[in-house]
Amino acid sequence: SQQGEEDPQALSIQEGENATMNCSYKTSINNLQWYRQNSGRGLVHLILIRSNEREKHSGRLRVTLDTSKKSSSLLITASRAADTASYFCAPSQGGSEKLVFGKGTKLTVNP
Amino acid sequence: NAGVTQTPKFQVLKTGQSMTLQCAQDMNHNSMYWYRQDPGMGLRLIYYSASEGTTDKGEVPNGYNVSRLNKREFSLRLESAAPSQTSVYFCASRRTGTGYGYTFGSGTRLTVV
Repeated sequence: SQQGEEDPQALSIQEGENATMNCSYKTSINNLQWYRQNSGRGLVHLILIRSNEREKHSGRLRVTLDTSKKSSSLLITASRAADTASYFCAPSQGGSEKLVFGKGTKLTVNP
Repeated sequence: NAGVTQTPKFQVLKTGQSMTLQCAQDMNHNSMYWYRQDPGMGLRLIYYSASEGTTDKGEVPNGYNVSRLNKREFSLRLESAAPSQTSVYFCASRRTGTGYGYTFGSGTRLTVV
């Protein structure tokens, strides 16, 4: 299992703007997952991108994966106040998949 | 569909007391996990169970024990609570196979005084 490193640690934007956060990892992966955590709540699975995929969309979310650079990015378009949360990436090598979570990116969307 | 249910939601213990955190899932998932989350530390894996009847240590198992009672339930026990175990505890489950995300419970906020 390996931990992803999210960057930046904190991000503050205005409602309607786009938010981009990045994730780097160290060794080859089978897939990479993004999760959201609202304050005081459990993590919610947002999207999973497999190692043979370069881009994936889900509603206002767009995830890219560059396995040559061992990095991923999560783009949230047209941000809303309700998107305020911490976002975590979790690289996975498949198999038993014990996910390791980093410290996340804390996103604040100001009304 | 309840997903992953954790009880209790809040608990205050005195140092040295014991307690069991309960976790149950109704999604027929094989794998279950216990994490703790401390401020500024992210989530750290305590124990996990890849399938009914098996349990394995994670990153921070000291001071904890677990029981996979059946496919639905995975409990975490603190035998002698210490202030360092003050944390928010999350249980999660996952369907077997590559490419499935975790489903998390809403957490248990534990304070040891």
